[in-house]
Amino acid sequence: AQSVTQLGSHVSVSEGALVLLRCNYSSSVPPYLFWYVQYPNQGLQLLLKYTSAATLVKGINGFEAEFKKSETSFHLTKPSAHMSDAAEYFCAVSDVERGNKLVFGAGTILRVKS
Amino acid sequence: EPEVTQTPSHQVTQMGQEVILRCVPISNHLYFYWYRQILGQKVEFLVSFYNNEISEKSEIFDDQFSVERPDGSNFTLKIRSTKLEDSAMYFCASSAEGYTDTQYFGPGTRLTVL
Repeated sequence: AQSVTQLGSHVSVSEGALVLLRCNYSSSVPPYLFWYVQYPNQGLQLLLKYTSAATLVKGINGFEAEFKKSETSFHLTKPSAHMSDAAEYFCAVSDVERGNKLVFGAGTILRVKS
Repeated sequence: EPEVTQTPSHQVTQMGQEVILRCVPISNHLYFYWYRQILGQKVEFLVSFYNNEISEKSEIFDDQFSVERPDGSNFTLKIRSTKLEDSAMYFCASSAEGYTDTQYFGPGTRLTVL
């Protein structure tokens, strides 16, 4: 069965600093991976997804993620944090054997300090 | 841009009462999902629905839960007899295709069971 682990429930960075949010997955089949962002009191918005094309995936708002099969990782990065990036970020894997459901990690709350 | 909508945004009910949460998926989408997020916990899959039938459900989705697509636009989640532990944010999602496709999430309905 597919699973996702996000290391670090809270990450704090200074404005302009590199953002790195970690995600490791477990999957018995080639995975389809997603990063979603949740702003306070809002729903989940897709940042980017990996579906077995290029291993480096670019998303919205300057975020990107690299799929590394050898490390079973799909870490999210952004070169320069902005105050508006403060939100909760969820990594998810699509469970293709179970009705296409998304299996989410526990989430990482990103705080951006001025 | 098309979006998933959910009503109501917040529902308060007494334990043992029935509630119906409503969702309008994106119009040309074929796959529909319900997820929930108990405060401070992971987003959890409840059920997926395709071609007018449930394609997968989690262990959470017991006999107290049901889903329906009563017409060409709405997708509903019914909880027959609510329990305190049903208090959560409930998200509806839809996708055009299966596991490789993006699931678009609605803003959620916050259910509070007293």
